Amino acid sequence: QVHLLQSGPEVKKPGSSVRVSCEASGISFTNYAINWVRQAPGQGLEWMGRIVPVVDVINYAGDFQGRVRITADKSTNVAYMELRSLRSEDTAVYYCAKDVGRRPEFWYFDDWGQGTLVTVSS
Amino acid sequence: DIEMTQSPSSLSAFVGDRVTITCRTSHDISNNLAWYQQKPGKLPKLLIYGASSLQSGVPSRFSGSGFGTDFTLTISSLQSEDVATYYCLKYDTAPFTFGPGTKVD
Repeated sequence: QVHLLQSGPEVKKPGSSVRVSCEASGISFTNYAINWVRQAPGQGLEWMGRIVPVVDVINYAGDFQGRVRITADKSTNVAYMELRSLRSEDTAVYYCAKDVGRRPEFWYFDDWGQGTLVTVSS
Repeated sequence: DIEMTQSPSSLSAFVGDRVTITCRTSHDISNNLAWYQQKPGKLPKLLIYGASSLQSGVPSRFSGSGFGTDFTLTISSLQSEDVATYYCLKYDTAPFTFGPGTKVD
């Protein structure tokens, strides 16, 4: 049974950084990528980036390039997403999601973490 | 990044209606498109992958079609529990992109 457990809600000041973790159980990091997706209140889903831990490949969405850093600890099956220079518009629920396999046809997301609310407010 | 459009942005329908949602990409993505359903306060749920493959456990009234740049999600007979927002996702190459969503009520 796959389970992605994310860290708890965060309240941050504008200009600060936040790090959200995503611990995977029931799977091995060597077989999957972990994606990060966010959803602002009342808005749609926004893909932020992903990491393929087995080959240390990391991709970012253009909108977040330079402000987001995705890492993974293969020894503990935990992925991290750090977002810097936070602004009020970054207030959102942040999700991790795993894909299904190594080839492109399997890169859709089938399992999701429970979501982490990050609130940016002065 | 590839542009993704969805239409309509919202629709109202009756139980039993046939509902069609369209997703269009700016570049050929082969069949690397998925459809998700999201209800308020819930996680996105995978409905369709590979443009037309039904995810296990998803009712057969949901179907997908398309290839290249134009894709369709069809609900053959809308049920009350299908009230949700639907998103397409292109995943051929990074960066991946979600469509803006279609709200069905």
